[in-house]
Formats: sequence, C-alpha cells, structure tokens
Amino acid sequence: KNEVEQSPQNLTAQEGEFITINCSYSVGISALHWLQQHPGGGIVSLFMLSSGKKKHGRLIATINIQEKHSSLHITASHPRDSAVYICAVSPPYNNNDMRFGAGTRLTVKP
Amino acid sequence: KAGVTQTPRYLIKTRGQQVTLSCSPISGHRSVSWYQQTPGQGLQFLFEYFSETQRNKGNFPGRFSGRQFSNSRSEMNVSTLELGDSALYLCASSLSREADTQYFGPGTRLTVL
Repeated sequence: KNEVEQSPQNLTAQEGEFITINCSYSVGISALHWLQQHPGGGIVSLFMLSSGKKKHGRLIATINIQEKHSSLHITASHPRDSAVYICAVSPPYNNNDMRFGAGTRLTVKP
Repeated sequence: KAGVTQTPRYLIKTRGQQVTLSCSPISGHRSVSWYQQTPGQGLQFLFEYFSETQRNKGNFPGRFSGRQFSNSRSEMNVSTLELGDSALYLCASSLSREADTQYFGPGTRLTVL
C-alpha cells in the first residue's frame, strides 16, 4: 500500500463547479504539500500545511492530522485549472524528502 | 528573482552511457532536492543537498549520485544508463531544510535508447 493515496485519479468538471480532491496518508509527517503540474512538466507548490486550513484565491486546502487526511478544494473552477494535482508528505525528520501520491488529473470543460 | 533553472531541458542518451544534469537554485536557497518522475512510478525522491553535503537519499542504486557546490548549484549524475532511467528529472530548491516551500525547476527530460 502506498504511503500517500489520492482520490479520484481522474476528474472531469464543468466550468464553475466546486471541486474536491482527497489525500490520505499512513505515515507520520511534518508537513503536507499540494502541488500542481501542468502539461510539459512544470510543478508549482500550491500549499504546505501542518495543521488547519489555508486559502489562496479560489483554492482551499485543509488537513486533519488525527485522521491523516487532507482535501484540496477549488471553487468556481475554470478551464485553466486543468492540471494534475499531486499530494505529497514530508516525514518528521526532513521536510524536503517528499513522498508523493499518484496525482489527480483534473479537466475542467468550458 | 529568477526561478530554479535546469540544464539541459532535453537529453537523449544510449544504454551504458553516463549523464550529468545541472540545477541552479533560486538565489539564497541552500537546499536542493532531486526527484525522478516516470509514468509507472510517479514522482520519487532521489536525494537532497544542503551546504554541499548530501543529507538524505531515496531508494535508488548507487549509479545515481550528485553533488552541490559552494554557490548551492547542484549536479546529479547517472552512470551506466539503463532504459528504465528514462524519466523527467526535477530539482527543487528551498531556503532551508525546515518546513519550507519548495520551488521546482522545469525539469530535464532524459530519454535512454
């Protein structure tokens, strides 16, 4: 079993819809990361969380440490949000040794 | 401020050859991490360098190695290339080893024939 599990693997939405991507992990962590990867490979770090909730524009990330679960929400989705969203966790001893989920491929149709 | 740069962006090699990839972190960033991304295995941690020292290494054979220079620039080397080494190699930099955002480079796409 992978240390980091994401669901769903693929997600298609209509423009304007509210989107949720889930991430569960089975190891102790110092932080959880949400990353965005567009076609061509470039990765952007969206959030780094160790507790609670963070918001940036239309994106919201939450984490429940006790349940070892995090969610990434996108409000009012737009076709430019189409990308692969990757959940990653950092072990307690080293923030930069990230363990990655398989990613969720999001397609937002106009 | 310039982002993380990686060179070359694309590379084609044949089995048995060796390859060196380069990563220049954001100015002031001292930690550089390397990752391999393949369709089958996804993203995997290779190693991390901080202050010219390898601090941590992922589960990869000894053919994968790296180093970091005094200006924080980093190189990774893969010797005796295998077909399975074909991948996107990404580096990321951060200010420190503590809980900090990592900034990724565009990657080097290596194809081994």
